Amino acid sequence: QVQLVESGGGVVQPGGSLRLSCAASGFTFGSYGMHWVRQAPGRGLEWVAFIRYDETNRYYGDSVKGRFTISRDNSKNTLYLQMNSLRAEDTAVYYCAKDPLYGGSGYYFDYWGQGTLVTVSS
Amino acid sequence: DIQMTQSPSSLSASVGDRVTITCRASQGISNSLAWYQQKPGKAPKLLLYAASRLESGVPSRFSGSGSGTDYTLTISSLHPEDFATYLCQQYYGILPLTFGGGTKVEIK
Repeated sequence: QVQLVESGGGVVQPGGSLRLSCAASGFTFGSYGMHWVRQAPGRGLEWVAFIRYDETNRYYGDSVKGRFTISRDNSKNTLYLQMNSLRAEDTAVYYCAKDPLYGGSGYYFDYWGQGTLVTVSS
Repeated sequence: DIQMTQSPSSLSASVGDRVTITCRASQGISNSLAWYQQKPGKAPKLLLYAASRLESGVPSRFSGSGSGTDYTLTISSLHPEDFATYLCQQYYGILPLTFGGGTKVEIK
């Protein structure tokens, strides 16, 4: 069965950096696009970033563009999110989510991880 | 950006009730709409995509309809496990992907 397990969350000071990981199993990771989606406490969902299965395209939400970098290692079945210049408003649960389209990009999410909490606070 | 507006933001219903939730896009999205269910402290779960296609394993009491800018999620007969928050998401091909604010379905 599909499993996505995020890690790397924690407390970081404003201006700091953090790297999230998402370990994938139960599907051919290298054949699917992957996303990061976040949810601030008590708030709605916000799409953060997408990376195509072959890394040829990466897209970002406006609020994180230039600060966050999505990447993947298909040999390790792992997705990453490097977060720099963190702000208080980046505080959220970060989910990795699988795109449903094999070898393409559906741009919705058929499986989600359990999430990892990032808190940006001094 | 395409704005997604859900209504109502919350509703109270009883087991067995028929429930309808609406999602309106700020521009036409050609059925590029997904619906998710989220329970407290859990990740969202995909229910429907392409506005009306039921995800594998999702009970048939869930259905979706709509076109253009207006879409509807219907639960034909509410089960106890259906009390949750429901969210819509558009993927019309114009990034960013955006979500509705959610509809919380509570027990009456």
